[in-house]
Amino acid sequence: GDSVTQMEGPVTLSEEAFLTINCTYTATGYPSLFWYVQYPGEGLQLLLKATKADDKGSNKGFEATYRKETTSFHLEKGSVQVSDSAVYFCALGGQTGANNLFFGTGTRLTVIP
Amino acid sequence: DAGITQSPRHKVTETGTPVTLRCHQTENHRYMYWYRQDPGHGLRLIHYSYGVKDTDKGEVSDGYSVSRSKTEDFLLTLESATSSQTSVYFCAISLGGGEEKLFFGSGTQLSVL
Repeated sequence: GDSVTQMEGPVTLSEEAFLTINCTYTATGYPSLFWYVQYPGEGLQLLLKATKADDKGSNKGFEATYRKETTSFHLEKGSVQVSDSAVYFCALGGQTGANNLFFGTGTRLTVIP
Repeated sequence: DAGITQSPRHKVTETGTPVTLRCHQTENHRYMYWYRQDPGHGLRLIHYSYGVKDTDKGEVSDGYSVSRSKTEDFLLTLESATSSQTSVYFCAISLGGGEEKLFFGSGTQLSVL
């Protein structure tokens, strides 16, 4: 079935460092791909999405490119800030009537000044 | 904010007692979901609803039931709580119709002792 494999954390970076969080997926067809972010004590919020191969989603300096050939959707940011400290979830559109998403296990990012 | 309210925000209960969690939305979205979040598992779908009185099971539905008697309310019931149901529970909503973007509530921390 459909699934998402996400880079295990936690990840600790210094402010202004480059961030990559790896995400690969298994799915039939061509699902939409998402990154969600969860700040402490809050629910998940959509960070960015891509709906087809070679699409690039971007938001708040974060980017991810839908790579069909490698079934990947890695999250990147060129210069992280302390305020980026959160848990990041990669997710896959379920392609069913449920409009559901399949989530990875999450990667905790801590950015230190 | 997507107009989603979860109640209660925190609950401590004893094994064997019934528990009901409530999700209320003001967006008139068709789809509503209950997820649980556990370390190492990310978010897993418990049940979802695609309309009033229309519900279906998700990945981890055993021990849970749901009801949706009004568009705006989606209730999750643990008939007889167990310690394995200690978790953070999130409600989410979506427009449906191929729009897979989910909006999440702030979560309910449930502890079953």
